[in-house]
Amino acid sequence: EVQLVESGGGLVQPGGSLRLSCAASGFTFSSYWMHWVRQAPGKGLVWVSRINSDGSSTSYADSVKGRFTISRDNAKNTLYLQMNSLRAEDTAVYYCARDIDWGQGTLVTVSS
Amino acid sequence: QLVLTQSPSASASLGASVKLTCTLSSGHSSYAIAWHQQQPEKGPRYLMKLNSDGSHSKGDGIPDRFSGSSSGAERYLTISSLQSEDEADYYCQTWGTGMVFGGGTKLTVL
Repeated sequence: EVQLVESGGGLVQPGGSLRLSCAASGFTFSSYWMHWVRQAPGKGLVWVSRINSDGSSTSYADSVKGRFTISRDNAKNTLYLQMNSLRAEDTAVYYCARDIDWGQGTLVTVSS
Repeated sequence: QLVLTQSPSASASLGASVKLTCTLSSGHSSYAIAWHQQQPEKGPRYLMKLNSDGSHSKGDGIPDRFSGSSSGAERYLTISSLQSEDEADYYCQTWGTGMVFGGGTKLTVL
């Protein structure tokens, strides 16, 4: 059974940092591109970032470019999202996703 | 620019059928899409990948009541024999630089 389990969310002040993790199991993690997608309260799904299978290529939404960094450790079957210079508008549930599988999400709240 | 357009809401009666529409922006009518379901207070669930020729591949455990079809730049999700648990938000998604999502359609089962 494929599982994607996010962790690392929480309450952080504006300007602060958080690192999200996504532990993957049930499939060959190192073979797949992975994504982070977020959903602000009451809003739709918004793509944040993606990384290719070996980590050599990344891409970001304009809204997070220069502040967020996606990475992966294929030996640990884990995807990461380092989030710096956080803003109130980054408040959302963050999901990790393979194209056909989703995690349950982790809530990030940016507030003073 | 690659954009997916969905109606914000739809409704249909219990046991009936409903057809949701996702429209690809001009110049992108050959793109495949995926449909995802998000039930209240839950994470999204992948339903199917839908190609421009109407062929589709469903995710594991997705009931036969869910089907997809295509016409030009339109991609459709048809849900037959509606059940209460089908009340959810439905998102279409395609692939550009990353994942591109439509705004979602909130389906109400009456």
